[in-house]
Amino acid sequence: QQPVQSPQAVILREGEDAVINCSSSKALYSVHWYRQKHGEAPVFLMILLKGGEQKGHEKISASFNEKKQQSSLYLTASQLSYSGTYFCGPRGTFSGGYNKLIFGAGTRLAVHP
Amino acid sequence: EPEVTQTPSHQVTQMGQEVILRCVPISNHLYFYWYRQILGQKVEFLVSFYNNEISEKSEIFDDQFSVERPDGSNFTLKIRSTKLEDSAMYFCASSYHRGLSSYNEQFFGPGTRLTVL
Repeated sequence: QQPVQSPQAVILREGEDAVINCSSSKALYSVHWYRQKHGEAPVFLMILLKGGEQKGHEKISASFNEKKQQSSLYLTASQLSYSGTYFCGPRGTFSGGYNKLIFGAGTRLAVHP
Repeated sequence: EPEVTQTPSHQVTQMGQEVILRCVPISNHLYFYWYRQILGQKVEFLVSFYNNEISEKSEIFDDQFSVERPDGSNFTLKIRSTKLEDSAMYFCASSYHRGLSSYNEQFFGPGTRLTVL
């Protein structure tokens, strides 16, 4: 049930773009994206509820293709503050679960000047 | 801005001892969670709690673990007899509304680092 994220790590220069992918072997209803900086708690970025819908947060956007059971996070014109580990937390089709988040292994993003 | 708080920030204990980790969720939230993160690894779900009972728990959450909301504001995680492998960062989280809406964002506390010696 654990989602698969790729790539595992990304190194960027400030201003460059990156894409982080998340896929699940199970049917998805929604996908949560979180960012965790070293030594800190995960911070919610966005949730995607509908297939193909894009959401945005700063210069970070995401898409969700429920048919392909995939979500992608797009980081545009990256800033130093984007550095951290990005986790996707897919939520399966409703089964009476209570919002537990099953995180993937994460993608480490490092943005350098 | 309301936030989830956790105490202590760091707890050191001897193997076999009991520990209680404390959390104060955001005041109008109804759903509470514990997650843990072993150093360098991913965040793992432990348990969710709603209406004074456990809603869901993972296989990690065995009989050594228990949760409680003793007074309407605190939410605690107890580990009865700690093991070395319990060493991790423990995060508490809360959310306002479950279900098929956009309001199930989970707010995480800063975490308690548990070190078992």
